[in-house]
Amino acid sequence: GAVVSQHPSRVICKSGTSVKIECRSLDFQATTMFWYRQFPKKSLMLMATSNEGSKATYEQGVEKDKFLINHASLTLSTLTVTSAHPEDSSFYICKEKAELSNQPQHFGDGTRLSIL
Amino acid sequence: EDQVTQSPEALRLQEGESSSLNCSYTVSGLRGLFWYRQDPGKGPEFLFTLYSAGEEKEKERLKATLTKKESFLHITAPKPEDSATYLCAVQVGAIQGAQKLVFGQGTRLTINP
Repeated sequence: GAVVSQHPSRVICKSGTSVKIECRSLDFQATTMFWYRQFPKKSLMLMATSNEGSKATYEQGVEKDKFLINHASLTLSTLTVTSAHPEDSSFYICKEKAELSNQPQHFGDGTRLSIL
Repeated sequence: EDQVTQSPEALRLQEGESSSLNCSYTVSGLRGLFWYRQDPGKGPEFLFTLYSAGEEKEKERLKATLTKKESFLHITAPKPEDSATYLCAVQVGAIQGAQKLVFGQGTRLTINP
């Protein structure tokens, strides 16, 4: 079964809307979550690393005020796309950090965000 | 700059026709190479992790191998249900356990019945 639960799976909304995406770890307490985005037929690009109880670490070129990350508990990380515009339409996927680097690393099922 | 390149971009095979997918990488400090399968509209599904040159892992019709510069995903006698995009990613970083992954663009595999 799924070890990372991501919700919602699909969002369609108007430009200017803020959208929150949730990612829950189901198998163990994930102190770290990774957030990726994927454009059609393109590679996954790491956006940010979410750390429980501290500020997220953003990759170069990713606007931290645009993509707000909250990781208030050991099992839940959220990504909020603020004032979304059509260019933010993409597939957003979270991944938990495994306890050991040689363990399987599980992704959520992704959120398809479409901004009209 | 860390780079991962997968080839071919797309591959069509007949059921039972074996082939290989390639993943070439140039990274500093490889900590692991990962293969994932991704179905449309879904998150990647973990397949294998390889850590050192010469290592091989198998799962059903899939076998992954690793050299110092590239990895191959061999698919033997594929079935239509093996159709998916196969992603290769390398784990990089100087910090143990940082688990930052750099992905290739994927190979879209289609198996025709």
